Parts: sequence; C-alpha cells; structure tokens
Amino acid sequence: QVQLVQSGAEVKKPGASVKVSCKASGYTFTSYYIHWVRQAPGQGLEWMGVINPSGGTTVAQKFQGRVTMTSDTSTSTFYMELSSLKSEDTAVYYCARNSGWYYADYWGQGTLVTVSS
Amino acid sequence: QSALTQPPSVSGSPGQSVTISCTGSSSDIGNYNRVSWYQQPPGTAPKLMIYEVSNRPSGVPDRFSGSKSGNTASLTISGLQAEDEADYYCSSYTTSRTWVFGGGTKLTVL
Repeated sequence: QVQLVQSGAEVKKPGASVKVSCKASGYTFTSYYIHWVRQAPGQGLEWMGVINPSGGTTVAQKFQGRVTMTSDTSTSTFYMELSSLKSEDTAVYYCARNSGWYYADYWGQGTLVTVSS
Repeated sequence: QSALTQPPSVSGSPGQSVTISCTGSSSDIGNYNRVSWYQQPPGTAPKLMIYEVSNRPSGVPDRFSGSKSGNTASLTISGLQAEDEADYYCSSYTTSRTWVFGGGTKLTVL
C-alpha cells in the first residue's frame, strides 16, 4: 500500500532553517510528483510547491527564495527545507503524492514545525 | 495566486443535504476541470473525496458529489451523517502551473 512517512516534530529558533523528510513506499518512486502543503494552527491548507522525482520543482511565489525541495531516489525520500524561519512559519507540514493528474491522492501524517525564540 | 473562496462554516441535521461552494477565477476553476475536494477531521491529514470536479475515489460514499459552473465549484453531501463532521477544502490547478486551496469550510452535523 502507498505510504508517505514524514520525519518527526521540530522546534527551531527564528532565522534558522528546517528540513522535513517524506519517505515514500508502496509505489514506483520515479513515477509520481510530491506536493508540499502546510497548515498553520487553526488555519487552512496552503500549497507550497511540487517536485518531480527527477528534481524539477515549481514553488509558490510566496515561498520562492526560501523553500528548497529535493529528492533522493536511492532512499525514495523527498525533502523540503525552509530557511529564514519566522514565528509565522509555525505549522504542520504535509507531503502529498500527486496522482499523476492534478490532485493529491495520498498524504503523509504531517510534521509539526514550531518556530519560537 | 489568491486562495479560493469558501464559506467558513455550514451545518445540517442528520439525513439532510448540504452544499459547500468554492469560488475562484478564470485562472483556476474557470479554466480547468481540475478541482478536487479534501476532508479533514480534527487532528488528521486531509483525505481526497472528489477529483476532477465530480469523480469519487474508490471507497468514498456516493453521498458525496461534486459539480462546477463557471468559476465556482461545489461539493454536496447528501444524507448527512455524524461522521461527516470535518473541515472541507477545495483545490484547483491554475494557469500558473501551481495549485491553490480554498480557505476551508467547517461542517457541523447538528
């Protein structure tokens, strides 16, 4: 079965960076893109960007220059790094598999990132 | 890219029907049939309920249906059940080759 397992919760100080991982299993890693989506406490979903397994990315304008998305085919793992963290970046970060068309069909369990001094 | 517009909340009694709207623009909903809907109970990850405007993934009850007219998509839940209580989000592909979500709608089953 398709599974996306994300790394554990992180606590970071303002100005630092965080790198969240998303390990894929149960399907052909090289065939599907991965979205990154975040959700601030009590807020809605916010699309951050998408990466294909070859490493090509599209990043939402809001995050350009601060987000780096990468993939490692040897371990079937995707990564999302967010730099220059601010308190407003406190959120649960999700990875989600793009179906092959234009929607996300499987989601990771989420990773809570807390930014606090 | 601005978020799609959803009502903050809707409610209905068990057995009734409710409809959640999702309004975008000609740059997203109005330009493609690439609208999807997600259900998110508290403390859990989103779950796909509808894709490509009106298609249900395997396992989603046929009480859930989707439609679109112009720049507005809609999710209708008929025969409301207590287990349907959750937040619902719409999403659309855009002409900028990005995706955008709605602000979310909290469904309360009275």
